[in-house]
Amino acid sequence: QQQVKQSPQSLIVQKGGISIINCAYENTAFDYFPWYQQFPGKGPALLIAIRPDVSEKKEGRFTISFNKSAKQFSLHIMDSQPGDSATYFCAASKGNTDKLIFGTGTRLQVFP
Amino acid sequence: DVKVTQSSRYLVKRTGEKVFLECVQDMDHENMFWYRQDPGLGLRLIYFSYDVKMKEKGDIPEGYSVSREKKERFSLILESASTNQTSMYLCASSRQAFQETQYFGPGTRLLVL
Repeated sequence: QQQVKQSPQSLIVQKGGISIINCAYENTAFDYFPWYQQFPGKGPALLIAIRPDVSEKKEGRFTISFNKSAKQFSLHIMDSQPGDSATYFCAASKGNTDKLIFGTGTRLQVFP
Repeated sequence: DVKVTQSSRYLVKRTGEKVFLECVQDMDHENMFWYRQDPGLGLRLIYFSYDVKMKEKGDIPEGYSVSREKKERFSLILESASTNQTSMYLCASSRQAFQETQYFGPGTRLLVL
C-alpha cells in the first residue's frame, strides 16, 4: 500500500519528441504527488507537483496528468531537449506526514 | 537559495569501520532526512528528524543511527559498515509544514570494502 510504481526504467527520446513517465499508487490517502529531477552528480530537485483536486498541472514544457480513479499520474515533457536528460522520480505523500514515498526512477536520455 | 552540503562526495571504508556522514543546511529548516539511492530501487528513507534531538525511523533504518544536536546539522552513522551499505547517500531538508519541498544535497557515494 505504501509503494509507488514507476515506469519505464529508462527512456530514449529524440529531440523535439514527447517524453512520458508513468506512476501508479495504491494508497488512496496519498494527496500530494511531486516529481523530482536529478542530473548526474547532483541531488534531486523538485520539478513540479500536483494535488488530487486537479487533473492536470502545466509548467512550461512539463505537465503532470493525474487520474484519481485509476490511481495513476504521469509526467509529460513536451519538445524534449538534450538538457532534459536526467533521472526523474515520482513521489507521493499523505497530508499528515512529511515523508515522501519515491518511485524507482526513470533515466531519460534525449538525443539531438 | 537553500543550500544543503554533505561532508564528503566520495568515501571508501573497510567492513566493520564506524562511518559518519555529515549534512548541514543553511536555511533554518526544521526537517532533515537521510536517504539511500540504489539503481532500480529509487530513494529509500533511512531516518528523518523534525526537530533538534528528535528522530524518526524511515523505511530502512537497520544498521544505521542518526544524531541531531544542532538544528542545521544531521549526521548519519554506520556503527559497523558492511558491504551491503555501499550506496549513494542523500541528505535533504525542508520547512516544518507538511508536503513542503525537500532540498537535497549532492550526495555521498560510499564504498565499503
